[in-house]
Amino acid sequence: EADIYQTPRYLVIGTGKKITLECSQTMGHDKMYWYQQDPGMELHLIHYSYGVNSTEKGDLSSESTVSRIRTEHFPLTLESARPSHTSQYLCASSELNTWNTDTQYFGPGTRLTVL
Amino acid sequence: KNQVEQSPQSLIILEGKNCTLQCNYTVSPFSNLRWYKQDTGRGPVSLTIMTFSENTKSNGRYTATLDADTKQSSLHITASQLSDSASYICVVSDRGSTLGRLYFGRGTQLTVWP
Repeated sequence: EADIYQTPRYLVIGTGKKITLECSQTMGHDKMYWYQQDPGMELHLIHYSYGVNSTEKGDLSSESTVSRIRTEHFPLTLESARPSHTSQYLCASSELNTWNTDTQYFGPGTRLTVL
Repeated sequence: KNQVEQSPQSLIILEGKNCTLQCNYTVSPFSNLRWYKQDTGRGPVSLTIMTFSENTKSNGRYTATLDADTKQSSLHITASQLSDSASYICVVSDRGSTLGRLYFGRGTQLTVWP
């Protein structure tokens, strides 16, 4: 079982609210990622980080922002939530050895519903 | 266009039976191929990772094969159990950049009936 945690697991909010999805890992991994996944669809990378003070945008355009002030913590923030943001958000981490072969460990996900 | 296609989209089998899931990809260049298991409402869990030089890898009752020439992979599940009910996701990594982008398939939804 991977030591990567996400809170909240489920969130239902109204349009226009600011939200922060939390992600923490206790494995000391340098790399962390945020993915978005809709039912029956593939995962899309929205943000990633190589380490502290490193953040990059992923393949899927997202209105969210991330920060990496501590190695173990990689929160994702939506300044003004909209119904189009309704989705499952998955956080993952991996060791910074070789990207192409390192194993990603995923958190349980946050199911976000914006009304 | 780099893509990962999985088949079938869904599959129902009886407990104890074997099954094989397919993955075809067009990702180039190719670095490695991964199979993940994702239980409903959970994050994916890695089953196998195969590089270009590997053509088979096992993890318990799961055996993955890779044919890099035809760009095909399969995941064979032996003696299925109820706990095997999940979505199985094929992921291909390229080596076109330092980042090594991952391309995800949409998954095969497997249901095992008693």
